[in-house]
Amino acid sequence: GAGVSQSPSNKVTEKGKDVELRCDPISGHTALYWYRQSLGQGLEFLIYFQGNSAPDKSGLPSDRFSAERTGGSVSTLTIQRTQQEDSAVYLCASSLVPEGDTQYFGPGTRLTVL
Amino acid sequence: RKEVEQDPGPFNVPEGATVAFNCTYSNSASQSFFWYRQDCRKEPKLLMSVYSSGNEDGRFTAQLNRASQYISLLIRDSKLSDSATYLCNAGGTSYGKLTFGQGTILTVHP
Repeated sequence: GAGVSQSPSNKVTEKGKDVELRCDPISGHTALYWYRQSLGQGLEFLIYFQGNSAPDKSGLPSDRFSAERTGGSVSTLTIQRTQQEDSAVYLCASSLVPEGDTQYFGPGTRLTVL
Repeated sequence: RKEVEQDPGPFNVPEGATVAFNCTYSNSASQSFFWYRQDCRKEPKLLMSVYSSGNEDGRFTAQLNRASQYISLLIRDSKLSDSATYLCNAGGTSYGKLTFGQGTILTVHP
């Protein structure tokens, strides 16, 4: 079946612009995670959704970052007024149930802020 | 203290060697544990789950030590293709979130 998809695969933007990143989880998966990964670094947790609610937003680095999930499916991560330090690969993962299930990752969106 | 911690390495081993990684977790209520593998510039993929009694998949053995709150991954007879970053994942408590460690880099050389 279809895996997790993310769009765009690559995004180049100018400093100060807003960007929206999209994640389509595997159908029926209730949990959805967003992570950020800079070159050569580990996964940085951003936000976790269970259905449409976000029990844990603790990883969002600043108020320029926000995320929503509608219909228990698609999620968008929005970064306002992008900065060069926002450049990274943004990874989305979904799992069937929140408790103790395998996370399936999308291929990521590579964001470059000039 | 981080929720999940790993030795970042890097571990450089020759082909055929046996190598082991540990990962500690801080939440004693954690219920679920996994090892993932991430190749360069790719997304992480599940390597294996970690069961309470320990489990083996070919050359890979995973173990859980609840008393000391760590999980381990043992790779026997290392292959060049085992070179990757290995991420541990633990959690699944009250609201279900699992947390990744920072990853351990393994390089297997000829």
